[in-house]
Amino acid sequence: DAGVIQSPRHEVTEMGQEVTLRCKPISGHNSLFWYRQTMMRGLELLIYFNNNVPIDDSGMPEDRFSAKMPNASFSTLKIQPSEPRDSAVYFCASSSNRDRGGYEQYFGPGTRLTVT
Amino acid sequence: SQQGEEDPQALSIQEGENATMNCSYKTSINNLQWYRQNSGRGLVHLILIRSNEREKHSGRLRVTLDTSKKSSSLLITASRAADTASYFCFLMDTGRRALTFGSGTRLQVQP
Repeated sequence: DAGVIQSPRHEVTEMGQEVTLRCKPISGHNSLFWYRQTMMRGLELLIYFNNNVPIDDSGMPEDRFSAKMPNASFSTLKIQPSEPRDSAVYFCASSSNRDRGGYEQYFGPGTRLTVT
Repeated sequence: SQQGEEDPQALSIQEGENATMNCSYKTSINNLQWYRQNSGRGLVHLILIRSNEREKHSGRLRVTLDTSKKSSSLLITASRAADTASYFCFLMDTGRRALTFGSGTRLQVQP
């Protein structure tokens, strides 16, 4: 298996532009997590899907952020409009969580977003 | 949702020494997991301990869980320079909410 795939690996955009980050989880995994990491705020959980349904989106910072999981093999995190303070590394992770227990997460390589 | 914290924030030890880091939380959990992150990379799962377990071992790692104190510790024995990384705890609460904690513990092992 190729592991969790994220694209793009790097994104540089200007303030006000729309940014879409993409994630392909490991085949067979039914949970997907989006994280943001910065030096100032550390590692933050943004949203968590189980069986394509958002379970907890309390970490999504504001309405400019939205996440979708249209099927078991694809998820997007969209920022519109982007701001410089959104600059961070965004990680996607997936796990198999077929009962109430949470199993180990496999992380993607991350997308480094720079908003100028 | 971040409802806990790791401590210390940073730890520097000599190769061969043991390293202990702690994770405290505020809710009832289903399980607690520890992850490691090397600089600039994604996190890698180390070990999972369930709420009905008190201690778990994996190689040089030992994890303890005290649900009455709502805390967990990760012990790395006979540390190596390659253990230099940041360590994070992650937990799933009984309501299936996923919780992870801020900046983790940055461990530096001096050769």
